[in-house]
Amino acid sequence: KAGVTQTPRYLIKTRGQQVTLSCSPISGHRSVSWYQQTPGQGLQFLFEYFSETQRNKGNFPGRFSGRQFSNSRSEMNVSTLELGDSALYLCASSLQGRGQETQYFGPGTRLLVL
Amino acid sequence: AQSVSQHNHHVILSEAASLELGCNYSYGGTVNLFWYVQYPGQHLQLLLKYFSGDPLVKGIKGFEAEFIKSKFSFNLRKPSVQWSDTAEYFCAVNSMMNSGYSTLTFGKGTMLLVSP
Repeated sequence: KAGVTQTPRYLIKTRGQQVTLSCSPISGHRSVSWYQQTPGQGLQFLFEYFSETQRNKGNFPGRFSGRQFSNSRSEMNVSTLELGDSALYLCASSLQGRGQETQYFGPGTRLLVL
Repeated sequence: AQSVSQHNHHVILSEAASLELGCNYSYGGTVNLFWYVQYPGQHLQLLLKYFSGDPLVKGIKGFEAEFIKSKFSFNLRKPSVQWSDTAEYFCAVNSMMNSGYSTLTFGKGTMLLVSP
């Protein structure tokens, strides 16, 4: 079974631009979560989607948004990029997003904002 | 808000040494506990998890962890580390948030370097 895939793997943007990252979950997984990983803050939860609905949201500004499609693929968007948005963005999928389920992580998209 | 604390940011060991990485969490309700590992250049992988039952859980590659509810701890152990265990280790807690759905809260991670 193919794992979680994320595209693109690397991105360079400038301040003020916007960016869209994509995540394809493991086949059959309907819950997709997004995390931001930085050296200073570690891994922080952004949001979680299930059946095209955002069920949970972390403590990030409204510039961070996402969506999920009917095939469970998910995208996240960051508008008006800031230098501090430079990070590794990780996507994770699980069957239904229940607490006892394992989340399977993708390789991440490394975003550099100049 | 719940939090997860990992005691050591960096640990350096020689091969065959024993390992114990500390993890404490703040949430007092029912929790699900995980240890993830990130090998150099690879993505996060699950080492082991605890939901209920025997508080001593065994994972892959000889790792184990013990859940001590009274101490809000979930420490990771391995009797004898190998050079290939060099990686970053993350403790994570999953609990029901206000919305009724759960999410993972991670510790800041511990970088383990094993010298041959």
